[in-house]
Amino acid sequence: GIQVEQSPPDLILQEGANSTLRCNFSDSVNNLQWFHQNPWGQLINLFYIPSGTKQNGRLSATTVATERYSLLYISSSQTTDSGVYFCAVGAFGYALNFGKGTSLLVTP
Amino acid sequence: GAGVSQSPRYKVAKRGQDVALRCDPISGHVSLFWYQQALGQGPEFLTYFQNEAQLDKSGLPSDRFFAERPEGSVSTLKIQRTQQEDSAVYLCASSSGTGWEPLHFGNGTRLTVT
Repeated sequence: GIQVEQSPPDLILQEGANSTLRCNFSDSVNNLQWFHQNPWGQLINLFYIPSGTKQNGRLSATTVATERYSLLYISSSQTTDSGVYFCAVGAFGYALNFGKGTSLLVTP
Repeated sequence: GAGVSQSPRYKVAKRGQDVALRCDPISGHVSLFWYQQALGQGPEFLTYFQNEAQLDKSGLPSDRFFAERPEGSVSTLKIQRTQQEDSAVYLCASSSGTGWEPLHFGNGTRLTVT
């Protein structure tokens, strides 16, 4: 299956800081989604972004499919942004392959 | 419903027992997925339904795992003769179409096999 590598694995930020999370994948994809798993385990869909750029409030994402990577930008981070951010990709078929995630802690 | 609902939230089973986990997807969603998430890992795909048809079960780890969605809405994941390695969070997700759309996950069922 498609390999997904996320970096950095861990990140600690002070409230108000900006950050960039990266997702590299090993083959062409038709499906790429970013999720946030909060400390209670709930997985929230942030973006469906197989290509291009999208923005939603303080979050934005860019996928450069031809170069096989996607970036998630978090601006003006808040403590509620803490949790694990997962990138998940799919090509043919229905399964999404998830990366190991980036664990983010935002401190007050 | 407003979101994907899973029950029970927690399940403790003795090794060798059978368990059944329920998923109630978002109303009208055609696609339903089951994923397994081990501690500290990303979710791993188990199986996919489009309406009542199970189109992909390639991720089911053994024949002890069985899933169904008989009327194209509620789904049940059954694990027979549970083993300790089955301990994990089981996540259900649904999406509105039959292709590649945003997945919406439930809160999961945490299964502990003792």
